[in-house]
Amino acid sequence: EAEVAQSPRYKITEKSQAVAFWCDPISGHATLYWYRQILGQGPELLVQFQDESVVDDSQLPKDRFSAERLKGVDSTLKIQPAELGDSAMYLCAVKRGYNEQFFGPGTRLTVL
Amino acid sequence: AQKVTQAQTEISVVEKEDVTLDCVYETRDTTYYLFWYKQPPSGELVFLIRRNSFDEQNEISGRYSWNFQKSTSSFNFTITASQVVDSAVYFCALTPGGGTALIFGKGTTLSVSS
Repeated sequence: EAEVAQSPRYKITEKSQAVAFWCDPISGHATLYWYRQILGQGPELLVQFQDESVVDDSQLPKDRFSAERLKGVDSTLKIQPAELGDSAMYLCAVKRGYNEQFFGPGTRLTVL
Repeated sequence: AQKVTQAQTEISVVEKEDVTLDCVYETRDTTYYLFWYKQPPSGELVFLIRRNSFDEQNEISGRYSWNFQKSTSSFNFTITASQVVDSAVYFCALTPGGGTALIFGKGTTLSVSS
């Protein structure tokens, strides 16, 4: 069974619409990350949580992106309004052991 | 500044060939961790290996081997006797540790043909 579940796996939306992604680690992990991966690039951090607290959101475009992890377990990433440049893979990861990060299957977003 | 460079954008080999993927990193931290991940067409990033900065021992796992050299800031990955199932994008990544986010290279796309 995968360490991290994400939904939806694919999302197509129109420009200016709102979109939300969900991440659910299978077992308790204190540290959770959201990364964005543009086609042809490596993933880049958007936001990092320690339990329910944000510890790094320096690269999160806060005018349109928001993230929360209310009970320190699952997490939601929202974009409102979506722009064409937001088309990417959104990956959720958890930290386990000696700094290993295990990733979910990702949500592939297409903005039309 | 921290940076990971994977100079090879794409590599194509024929099955059973050996292939080496290069990774060069930059960091001012004395303690850091290096990783390799595999991303098949399905999109999920699969953890392959972690190496600590204070452990320069090379590692072999089946057909995979890793060569870590601090003197040249490199952490190269070799696949011996490549197979079609090895076709994927491979990422090298770096973190100073303590749960800090990974810094990824741009990846190397490996295509193995039969």
